[in-house]
Amino acid sequence: DQQVKQNSPSLSVQEGRISILNCDYTNSMFDYFLWYKKYPAEGPTFLISISSIKDKNEDGRFTVFLNKSAKHLSLHIVPSQPGDSAVYFCAANTGTASKLTFGTGTRLQVTL
Amino acid sequence: DAGITQSPRHKVTETGTPVTLRCHQTENHRYMYWYRQDPGHGLRLIHYSYGVKDTDKGEVSDGYSVSRSKTEDFLLTLESATSSQTSVYFCAISENRVSGNTIYFGEGSWLTVV
Repeated sequence: DQQVKQNSPSLSVQEGRISILNCDYTNSMFDYFLWYKKYPAEGPTFLISISSIKDKNEDGRFTVFLNKSAKHLSLHIVPSQPGDSAVYFCAANTGTASKLTFGTGTRLQVTL
Repeated sequence: DAGITQSPRHKVTETGTPVTLRCHQTENHRYMYWYRQDPGHGLRLIHYSYGVKDTDKGEVSDGYSVSRSKTEDFLLTLESATSSQTSVYFCAISENRVSGNTIYFGEGSWLTVV
């Protein structure tokens, strides 16, 4: 049972345009959400997070939006850069647990 | 970069042989985790530890055991490796409960079981 779903395995965006990566979840107990970025042959690195008490969190070019009623979150990258090409994982936490549940990842390719 | 070292980084082993992966941290963090990454599954938690000699199972713990005799070391053992355990294994650490940017991942160990 996949509690965190990323339904788009891949996404291609032109440099300078907006990248939108989506994530859906089924567990209503999740109250903290994170995005990780992963380059080939490296470990995932934390990118941005959002608490369930918020609906938006922004950090530079990265913004995460949370729609609790739809159990949906999205990561916006504006403007997209070639160095953003990586696999992006959505993850969720129940807050009291000390472990994350990850989505299957979306491979973003930013083209010139 | 967080001080996490995984060894070995790459290993090929035969079915039925035991394999131990090691994770060493220099951050003195309390929590340590082992995840595996597979196509179509993302990262899945195998086992985690919340202190020396304190461990618990994750969602895919069958066929794996762990040990933590020191704060800095967390070992993952495949008692009898199977082809389904061919994967990339990531160790992770966190100072307290996961809350955003407090979890750090190692660079991964690529294991192939033939």
